[in-house]
Amino acid sequence: NAGVTQTPKFQVLKTGQSMTLQCAQDMNHEYMSWYRQDPGMGLRLIHYSVGAGITDQGEVPNGYNVSRSTTEDFPLRLLSAAPSQTSVYFCASSKTGGSTDTQYFGPGTRLTVL
Amino acid sequence: GQQVMQIPQYQHVQEGEDFTTYCNSSTTLSNIQWYKQRPGGHPVFLIQLVKSGEVKKQKRLTFQFGEAKKNSSLHITATQTTDVGTYFCAGSANFNKFYFGSGTKLNVKP
Repeated sequence: NAGVTQTPKFQVLKTGQSMTLQCAQDMNHEYMSWYRQDPGMGLRLIHYSVGAGITDQGEVPNGYNVSRSTTEDFPLRLLSAAPSQTSVYFCASSKTGGSTDTQYFGPGTRLTVL
Repeated sequence: GQQVMQIPQYQHVQEGEDFTTYCNSSTTLSNIQWYKQRPGGHPVFLIQLVKSGEVKKQKRLTFQFGEAKKNSSLHITATQTTDVGTYFCAGSANFNKFYFGSGTKLNVKP
């Protein structure tokens, strides 16, 4: 098993550009989520999905869109990048999303918006 | 909204000294998880606490969950350089949503 994979590892964008951060898992997990990590602020939940076709907002959803067309993939879209979105983005998955499930994190995408 | 506060933000210790990080929630939690993130890495699950007053040990690491299920702590006895990293707690009060503390960055001087 590759676990949770994310691409790209690094990305630099200009303000106003759009891009998609990719996340995939091969553990047949129903629950997938996106977090952003900023210095001194821990990880904040952006969006999550409890299964294919179902998504919901987390703590900080503004400026981001998600979709879940398959169990394996959960891409995060930035429609018009802003400097405030400079951060490290982590995708995570767990078996069902239940509060007792272990979350498995991907290696992260380091995004800089100029 | 739910918040999980974690202190201290940084801790510098000499190898062999003990280390403790604390988490406090504004609301009662159903459970709390602890993660470790090595520099440049991603969070890795350490342990989960579910029951009020629960105490769990992993070798030199001791995890506690408060009686009111609003606070938790991680204690490392006799730190080693391999303990370097940032330790996060993540609390859940609602199904599907975890709220992470801001983390405690541990530096161990050999």
